[in-house]
Amino acid sequence: AQTVTQSQPEMSVQEAETVTLSCTYDTSENNYYLFWYKQPPSRQMILVIRQEAYKQQNATENRFSVNFQKAAKSFSLKISDSQLGDTAMYFCAFMQTSGSRLTFGEGTQLTVNP
Amino acid sequence: SAVISQKPSRDICQRGTSLTIQCQVDSQVTMMFWYRQQPGQSLTLIATANQGSEATYESGFVIDKFPISRPNLTFSTLTVSNMSPEDSSIYLCSVAYQGAKNIQYFGAGTRLSVL
Repeated sequence: AQTVTQSQPEMSVQEAETVTLSCTYDTSENNYYLFWYKQPPSRQMILVIRQEAYKQQNATENRFSVNFQKAAKSFSLKISDSQLGDTAMYFCAFMQTSGSRLTFGEGTQLTVNP
Repeated sequence: SAVISQKPSRDICQRGTSLTIQCQVDSQVTMMFWYRQQPGQSLTLIATANQGSEATYESGFVIDKFPISRPNLTFSTLTVSNMSPEDSSIYLCSVAYQGAKNIQYFGAGTRLSVL
């Protein structure tokens, strides 16, 4: 079974600064997908970024980028130029290529301070 | 991305009663899922809602407790039956499209409190 671990329950950052959220996972699969979802106080789960394991290039979406280290089974999220609206719970998630179930980590509560 | 509507957005229910949560999508989707998020915790998949057939339940979840319907490609319901305070959670619906089965889009969730 796959497991996803987020070792930082809470983090804070000053507005306009950069922050990195950590995620590690365990799997015996070679092909899979990794995701970062954001859940603001409104509860809406929003897809932030997605990485396909067979792609070596790290995914980027505007201010959001990942550092995907397949051998180390690490998938960190970097948020540049942090904004107040980035305040949310961030979940790392795993999906097998052959399946559809998302396995989520415990989440990291990020607070962006003015 | 999809526009996903969940109803109700929140409810307070008495022990022993049942609540049905609806999930409506603005376009046809291939897959629909139901997740539970217990207070302060992460999301756990309850089941995959299959159109025209019985849902596929994850370990630890049973049809008698969480009956699911999916009569068409845009609508699904989850019922939480014979509720107890331990059922107090956020219940979320998610969907995936045929061309991008590995991307799930979520509704805003239903916050359920059981007294």
